[in-house]
Amino acid sequence: GENVEQHPSTLSVQEGDSAVIKCTYSDSASNYFPWYKQELGKRPQLIIDIRSNVGEKKDQRIAVTLNKTAKHFSLHITETQPEDSAVYFCAARPNSGNTPLVFGKGTRLSVIA
Amino acid sequence: DGGITQSPKYLFRKEGQNVTLSCEQNLNHDAMYWYRQDPGQGLRLIYYSQIVNDFQKGDIAEGYSVSREKKESFPLTVTSAQKNPTAFYLCASSVGQGSYEQYFGPGTRLTVT
Repeated sequence: GENVEQHPSTLSVQEGDSAVIKCTYSDSASNYFPWYKQELGKRPQLIIDIRSNVGEKKDQRIAVTLNKTAKHFSLHITETQPEDSAVYFCAARPNSGNTPLVFGKGTRLSVIA
Repeated sequence: DGGITQSPKYLFRKEGQNVTLSCEQNLNHDAMYWYRQDPGQGLRLIYYSQIVNDFQKGDIAEGYSVSREKKESFPLTVTSAQKNPTAFYLCASSVGQGSYEQYFGPGTRLTVT
């Protein structure tokens, strides 16, 4: 089945700097790659997603890139702010009928003011 | 995501007791999911259901049971057979087959002593 690896597990950046989180997946048939943000004690919330027919997608300070050949995708956050501090999860959906999302283990991002 | 509710927010049980976690959604979603979250482990799939009266085991189904008698409801029972039941449990839903975005409930933190 699908396996998603996420790195790094923790990341600290200075306010205003950029942050990059990377994920790799194993199933070349996977076709949907969302990123979720989870603040302490709260539910994960979708912040951006990308489908396999697109290489890059941006939404203000957040962008996701996808390299299907290498089977990896990345989250880029520019001009980081303290409120960006949270745990971020990547996920992949195997293109096999009704299979649910497979999640990475998460990255704890700390933005230092 | 406000259309998915989980109750209670905190739950305490003695070892050896079964306990049922509630998950309800009013989004008219066909698919529902249960995840378990432990520190550093990401989101692990327990069970999922793509349609009423049908459900499948996820990666860590042992010691858990579910039912899907109504489209809106997908309760999870943590049985005494689950060796380490203390965790944060998240319910999620999506429109159904072929859909992409998955919405999460607020979670239930279960503590078993």
